[in-house]
Amino acid sequence: NAGVTQTPKFQVLKTGQSMTLQCAQDMNHEYMSWYRQDPGMGLRLIHYSVGAGITDQGEVPNGYNVSRSTTEDFPLRLLSAAPSQTSVYFCASMFLGGRNTEAFFGQGTRLTVV
Amino acid sequence: GENVEQHPSTLSVQEGDSAVIKCTYSDSASNYFPWYKQELGKRPQLIIDIRSNVGEKKDQRIAVTLNKTAKHFSLHITETQPEDSAVYFCAASNEGSTLGRLYFGRGTQLTVWP
Repeated sequence: NAGVTQTPKFQVLKTGQSMTLQCAQDMNHEYMSWYRQDPGMGLRLIHYSVGAGITDQGEVPNGYNVSRSTTEDFPLRLLSAAPSQTSVYFCASMFLGGRNTEAFFGQGTRLTVV
Repeated sequence: GENVEQHPSTLSVQEGDSAVIKCTYSDSASNYFPWYKQELGKRPQLIIDIRSNVGEKKDQRIAVTLNKTAKHFSLHITETQPEDSAVYFCAASNEGSTLGRLYFGRGTQLTVWP
């Protein structure tokens, strides 16, 4: 099993550019989510999904879009990059509703917007 | 929603000493409390968790305690080693919820000096 695969690992964007961060999991997890990590701010939830076709906003959704067309994939789109979106992004997935609710994280994407 | 507060934000200890990190939560419906360790440049990984029907759980040098009445839980690391240096995150969730959200604290940077 690959677990959670997140790409790319590093990215530099110019202000106004758009891009998609990819996230895929092979554990048949219902729940997938995107976090951003900034110094001193912990892990802040951007968007999450509880199953294919179902997405919802987290704490900091502005400037980001998601979709969940399959159980495996949960891409994060930056619509028009801004310097405030410079951050480290993590995708995470886990089972829902049962006792095994360990969240598995992807390797992270370090994004710089100039 | 749930609010998780974590203290201290930084902690320095001498090798061999103990380290304690404390978290409080606000939602009495939360019943699952995991702790994640994030080494420099790596993804967060689960190190230990506790459920609300248990007051304490140990795994070798790490232990977690939970006080449901006071709504706080703590991570205890004994006989610290330099490889324990990392950022530690506490989290809380309602394990049976179909929403599955994990609410994270802001993290504690633990440094263990040789």
